[in-house]
Amino acid sequence: EADIYQTPRYLVIGTGKKITLECSQTMGHDKMYWYQQDPGMELHLIHYSYGVNSTEKGDLSSESTVSRIRTEHFPLTLESARPSHTSQYLCARNRDRLIQNSPLHFGNGTRLTVT
Amino acid sequence: AQRVTQPEKLLSVFKGAPVELKCNYSYSGSPELFWYVQYSRQRLQLLLRHISRESIKGFTADLNKGETSFHLKKPFAQEEDSAMYYCALKEGTGANSKLTFGKGITLSVRP
Repeated sequence: EADIYQTPRYLVIGTGKKITLECSQTMGHDKMYWYQQDPGMELHLIHYSYGVNSTEKGDLSSESTVSRIRTEHFPLTLESARPSHTSQYLCARNRDRLIQNSPLHFGNGTRLTVT
Repeated sequence: AQRVTQPEKLLSVFKGAPVELKCNYSYSGSPELFWYVQYSRQRLQLLLRHISRESIKGFTADLNKGETSFHLKKPFAQEEDSAMYYCALKEGTGANSKLTFGKGITLSVRP
């Protein structure tokens, strides 16, 4: 399944820059998620959305913000990147559109490095 | 409090050896558990879920409510099994459900 897209795949950026990580899906899923995979490879839920104009914070506090203006897009923004934000960011949706608690289907991730 | 515990970070075995990746959980409701796998340079993907009671790529996992465990097992490891494995617990119900992951374990299968 290649219908959840994350761009860019890799990003190296300097401290203080504003960045937006893109996530899009083509299947009309309402619920979407952002996970942060730290260098130690732990996965933490940082944001999720039930649908348009709905966003919630996850288990791990994050300085990033998200928006959901359209069903297809769930971008994540860092207003001022710092080295502590260096991580891999994974976007996900439920595998089945009509079964909201179906297993997650992940994108390829964005590996962010802040220098 | 950690709700999904994977006590080991790395397991290294030789090809053909048995594998058991441990996972324990803490949840007051009726648990639903999953194993996800991430092969090198590939996306994180579902390996199996306990309600399916299926064997995927030779792996099985049985939910043991008495021991609150969901260990992943394979009798004979293959080199292509080398990957990062995550145990995950679904918390909540319906639209309010979300997935909590363990810290993951790296499985390395040597020739």
